[in-house]
Amino acid sequence: QQQVKQSPQSLIVQKGGISIINCAYENTAFDYFPWYQQFPGKGPALLIAIRPDVSEKKEGRFTISFNKSAKQFSLHIMDSQPGDSATYFCAATWNYGQNFVFGPGTRLSVLP
Amino acid sequence: DSGVTQTPKHLITATGQRVTLRCSPRSGDLSVYWYQQSLDQGLQFLIQYYNGEERAKGNILERFSAQQFPDLHSELNLSSLELGDSALYFCASSVEGTSTGEQFFGPGTRLTVL
Repeated sequence: QQQVKQSPQSLIVQKGGISIINCAYENTAFDYFPWYQQFPGKGPALLIAIRPDVSEKKEGRFTISFNKSAKQFSLHIMDSQPGDSATYFCAATWNYGQNFVFGPGTRLSVLP
Repeated sequence: DSGVTQTPKHLITATGQRVTLRCSPRSGDLSVYWYQQSLDQGLQFLIQYYNGEERAKGNILERFSAQQFPDLHSELNLSSLELGDSALYFCASSVEGTSTGEQFFGPGTRLTVL
């Protein structure tokens, strides 16, 4: 019940296309859903995050869509660029960050 | 720069040996997490400490141990090393009690066991 499922495992997108990564959870106690971006050889870093009382959050080309009833959330990268090529992890946390769960990750490759 | 430091950056050792990885959290962060990331794998949560006390345990092998010291830095000890222990080891820190508990990751230590 504390797992976060993530798909696809890998994704190849042409430059300018839309990248979509999906995550699902079971634990309704989760109250914060961040996405982390990791470049090769680097540590993950927070990209964007959302709370369950909001259905969508947009920051530049990155948008999180959240469906509380379906217990699903997704990351959309508009106008994908080769520099977006990285591994993306969705995550979920509750109890003021005392409990933190990462999804298995999606490796995104954006072709020039 | 996340403010989390990890040393050493690279470590090459032989099977059967023991190594210690060190992590200094961001100033003010009481929580430290350790993760293992093997090639093309996700983040495997190992263990979490909060203000010196073990808070949560993940898939940490019995050959591995960790501790958090009074100055809040943490060490991960890996013993009887095997080839399969070769991986990137990340430390992350967070401020608990906030509404997010965002984790800040260090640059990692790349361990190679020969």
